[in-house]
Amino acid sequence: DAGVTQSPTHLIKTRGQQVTLRCSPKSGHDTVSWYQQALGQGPQFIFQYYEEEERQRGNFPDRFSGHQFPNYSSELNVNALLLGDSALYLCASSLGGRLNGYTFGSGTRLTVV
Amino acid sequence: GNSVTQMEGPVTLSEEAFLTINCTYTATGYPSLFWYVQYPGEGLQLLLKATKADDKGSNKGFEATYRKETTSFHLEKGSVQVSDSAVYFCALVRDTGNQFYFGTGTSLTVIP
Repeated sequence: DAGVTQSPTHLIKTRGQQVTLRCSPKSGHDTVSWYQQALGQGPQFIFQYYEEEERQRGNFPDRFSGHQFPNYSSELNVNALLLGDSALYLCASSLGGRLNGYTFGSGTRLTVV
Repeated sequence: GNSVTQMEGPVTLSEEAFLTINCTYTATGYPSLFWYVQYPGEGLQLLLKATKADDKGSNKGFEATYRKETTSFHLEKGSVQVSDSAVYFCALVRDTGNQFYFGTGTSLTVIP
C-alpha cells in the first residue's frame, strides 16, 4: 500500500520564477494538507484541500496557491519565488481531515537561488 | 495563540541512556498532542499521541503524558538506541481545528 508520494524530490529555481509541486495521497485518503519546513524549523501549515476546495489556510501570502483534483491528488504552486521560499515542502494526507490518520510524504526540497 | 515550545538541541546521549525531551504548549480549549519523528531525508512519522488530559501515549519504548496542569507533554525513553537518532517534533491540534502546530524540533544523536 503506497503512502504519500511527492514529486519532484529536489528542485532548484531562480528567484522570481514559479514552481509547481505535486502530491498523491495515500490510498483511501481524500484530504491533503501542505506544510513548509524551513531548515532547522518545525513545519508550518500552508493550507488544506478537501473535496477540491481549500478548506483552511495558514498565514502564507497569496503567492502560495493550490489545487486538488478529482482523484484527490494535489498541487502546490508558488509564484514570484523569493530566496526565503527555500524549504522542504511536506504533503500530508488523511481521510476527512481526521488528524489521527495523517500520513506525511518525504517532501520536496526546494532551493531558490 | 497556539504554540509549542521544545527544549533546544542538539541532544547527544550514549546508548542505553535515559531520554527526556521537554515540550510545553499554549492553546485554547482542549488540544490533542503529538510527537513526530523525522529521520534524515524522510518525512514525518507519528510516534505517539494523546487526546485528553492525563492520557499517556506510548510506542516503541517512548512515552509521553498529557499534563494539563503544567501544559506539558514531555517525551521519555528509558534506554535509547543508536537507531533512535533523529529529529523529534512536538505538535498540537486544537479541538476545533485540523492543522498541526509544530515545535522547532529537537535533534537527538545516540552514540554507541
